[in-house]
Formats: sequence, C-alpha cells, structure tokens
Amino acid sequence: GAGVSQSPSNKVTEKGKDVELRCDPISGHTALYWYRQSLGQGLEFLIYFQGNSAPDKSGLPSDRFSAERTGGSVSTLTIQRTQQEDSAVYLCASTPREGFGTDTQYFGPGTRLTVL
Amino acid sequence: GQNIDQPTEMTATEGAIVQINCTYQTSGFNGLFWYQQHAGEAPTFLSYNVLDGLEEKGRFSSFLSRSKGYSYLLLKELQMKDSASYLCAVSRPRSGGSYIPTFGRGTSLIVHP
Repeated sequence: GAGVSQSPSNKVTEKGKDVELRCDPISGHTALYWYRQSLGQGLEFLIYFQGNSAPDKSGLPSDRFSAERTGGSVSTLTIQRTQQEDSAVYLCASTPREGFGTDTQYFGPGTRLTVL
Repeated sequence: GQNIDQPTEMTATEGAIVQINCTYQTSGFNGLFWYQQHAGEAPTFLSYNVLDGLEEKGRFSSFLSRSKGYSYLLLKELQMKDSASYLCAVSRPRSGGSYIPTFGRGTSLIVHP
C-alpha cells in the first residue's frame, strides 16, 4: 500500500520567497505531524493535526510558518519570506489514531529545502 | 521542559554487538520509541517501550527503565546495512492535551568490516 508521500522532494528558493510543502498521509490515518530536521540535529516538532480538533501549533518557530490540512487528508506547510536558517529537511508523519502518542509514526521521505 | 540525550556517533565491527544509550528528563512520560534513519531517507520504526524491561525483536532489542529515565537499543550480529542514525523519541503529553513524540538528536552508527 502507499505510504506517506511528500512533494517536492527538493526545493531551492531565494531568501524572501514563499514556499509550500505538501504532505499526503496514509489513507485513513487521522493524525498528521510536521517536523524539521536540520543537519546534525534531531527532529524538531512543528505542528500536529488531530482529526477535527484544533491543531497543536506550539512547535512553529515563527509566524512565518503556517500549515493547513484540508478534508482531514492532505496537508500543506507554508513558509513565508524564507530565511537561510529555514534550510532543512521537512518531514511529515501520520499515525492511525489521534491523541495516542503510543502509535507508530509513519514518515514520508521529506522535502529538502535550501534557501539561498 | 524536556531533555533527551544520546551519543552523537558510535562505531562497531560487522558481526559484533552494540548498545546505544538514551537518557531523558521529561515532564510526563507515555512511552519511548526507537527509529532507524538511513542517510537521506525517512525514519522507520524499530521499537516501542512503555513498561520497564527488555523488548526483543530479532537482532534488535530495546530496554527501558522509567525510574532512571534510561533506555538502550541493542543491536546484535551487526551488518553493514545497520549503518544509520538511531533516533530515541519520548512520547509525552503536551499542554494542548495531545501526545507528541519528542526526538533526541540521534546516534550515527558506523559499521565497518
């Protein structure tokens, strides 16, 4: 079956431009997470969508970052006015159930963002 | 607050056994995950511990001591393909009521012939 997919796989942009990163979770998974992984760093939590409840945005590093999840499926992470420190791999993960931190996370391949 | 520590890098010989430690200090605890991440790829699930003790799964085993805030991942009969980063993640409740795994920086394991 299809796993979590993300697009684009690579994105190079100029400082100050806006970018949109897309995540398609596994069909039927109700919970969706966005993480950021910088070189030599662990996964930094960004945002968590849990079904119809309000998302947990507590990990977003600034108001330049926002995310949506439409129809309980596809999610888009938007970074406005990109900065060089935004360069990282952005990973999306989904789990079958919401609100259960015990569920295995299924990760997508990530989007490597490079801000020049 | 939360703090998850693991060694940055380890090296081992093919066929040997290696133990990767993870210590954590978190406000709240719901379970501990280990993930494997090969270079340029997505993390994949290895194990999950919620109770104290050892969980064995083939060549990989994971141990947890909640009272000590300590876990380890044990890899036996190492193979070259085991060269990867191993991520320790603690699931804990957050202020919004959700449970979100918090990841350590990962341990890069290099297996040499």
